[in-house]
Amino acid sequence: DAKTTQPNSMESNEEEPVHLPCNHSTISGTDYIHWYRQLPSQGPEYVIHGLTSNVNNRMASLAIAEDRKSSTLILHRATLRDAAVYYCILRSINTNAGKSTFGDGTTLTVKP
Amino acid sequence: EAQVTQNPRYLITVTGKKLTVTCSQNMNHEYMSWYRQDPGLGLRQIYYSMNVEVTDKGDVPEGYKVSRKEKRNFPLILESPSPNQTSLYFCASSLDRVKETQYFGPGTRLLVL
Repeated sequence: DAKTTQPNSMESNEEEPVHLPCNHSTISGTDYIHWYRQLPSQGPEYVIHGLTSNVNNRMASLAIAEDRKSSTLILHRATLRDAAVYYCILRSINTNAGKSTFGDGTTLTVKP
Repeated sequence: EAQVTQNPRYLITVTGKKLTVTCSQNMNHEYMSWYRQDPGLGLRQIYYSMNVEVTDKGDVPEGYKVSRKEKRNFPLILESPSPNQTSLYFCASSLDRVKETQYFGPGTRLLVL
């Protein structure tokens, strides 16, 4: 299974942009890149996903490298409520496609 | 309201006593999955199902069983629970297995004594 690598932790100041990186050097052409986050004491929630092009939604932006071996989740103005663990995962149509492997994620701390 | 529900939310049991954690979704999703979450180990997939009567092992299936007799339900069965199955369990569903959003339930915290 294609794996992802993320930094263990990052810090940000409130109201500043945050760039959360994810490396996925073994990604295949049909793998979708998904981002989820998990707030304390809650289940994971969807943030954004993409295949090749950059994506924007009301929560965040996803910038995907041209070779697709890395991506970056961008929170444009971090708030205290954005403090969470952020997971970057790949979902594939290839063999074992039903598997959904979450890594350890990045713990984002937002300072007031 | 679109949601994934799990029951019970909290459970304390003893070693060897069979238990079932239910999971239900009201979004007509084909794909459903069970995860466990332990401190320092992140989310690990136990089993998944890509449709009714189609289930397969995830990364940590030992000691668990699942069934998918109806599209909306995906129960997790622990035939003989052991203390190492003490964990936080999440059920999730999505329309497909690749490009659609996974919706997670609120979690079931299990303690096996």
